[in-house]
Amino acid sequence: AQSVTQPDIHITVSEGASLELRCNYSYGATPYLFWYVQSPGQGLQLLLKYFSGDTLVQGIKGFEAEFKRSQSSFNLRKPSVHWSDAAEYFCAVGEINTDKLIFGTGTRLQVFP
Amino acid sequence: DADVTQTPRNRITKTGKRIMLECSQTKGHDRMYWYRQDPGLGLRLIYYSFDVKDINKGEISDGYSVSRQAQAKFSLSLESAIPNQTALYFCATEAGTAATDTQYFGPGTRLTVL
Repeated sequence: AQSVTQPDIHITVSEGASLELRCNYSYGATPYLFWYVQSPGQGLQLLLKYFSGDTLVQGIKGFEAEFKRSQSSFNLRKPSVHWSDAAEYFCAVGEINTDKLIFGTGTRLQVFP
Repeated sequence: DADVTQTPRNRITKTGKRIMLECSQTKGHDRMYWYRQDPGLGLRLIYYSFDVKDINKGEISDGYSVSRQAQAKFSLSLESAIPNQTALYFCATEAGTAATDTQYFGPGTRLTVL
């Protein structure tokens, strides 16, 4: 079965600083990978997704993620964090054979002014 | 108006009570999902439905039941609530396949079982 690991439970950055959230997956074939964001009091919203092609994927709100097959990683990045980016971020992998979405445990981002 | 709505948004109940959480969507999607979110555990799938007549158990369905009353409505019931069902519950919809398509989430229902 596929699995997703987000090693960082909680990250704190200063506004304007760069951000990288880590995600590692376990899957035998080319994975379908997603990043979702959950803002306080809201449901999850898709930031970006990767299926194939260019390994650097652009998403909404200035986020990007890079798929690295050799490292089984799909890290999320943003060059300059805004206070409104404070939220919980979930990496997920699509499990083709069961047609399910498997979520990581999430990383909570705190932004200091 | 929101595409996926959940009612109630917050609920406090007592052990042994029957609780129903409701989800409605205006996106016209056939697929609907119920997830449970617990701190440190991420989202776990409770039940999912591919259409009105196709309902399936997820990884943590024990203690829960569902009803798909129409394409737009998918309800989750706790027949006899227990404290370890205290969690944040999300409904989601999707047009295609879970593995490849975007899921659209409701705002969540925070349930506390005393």
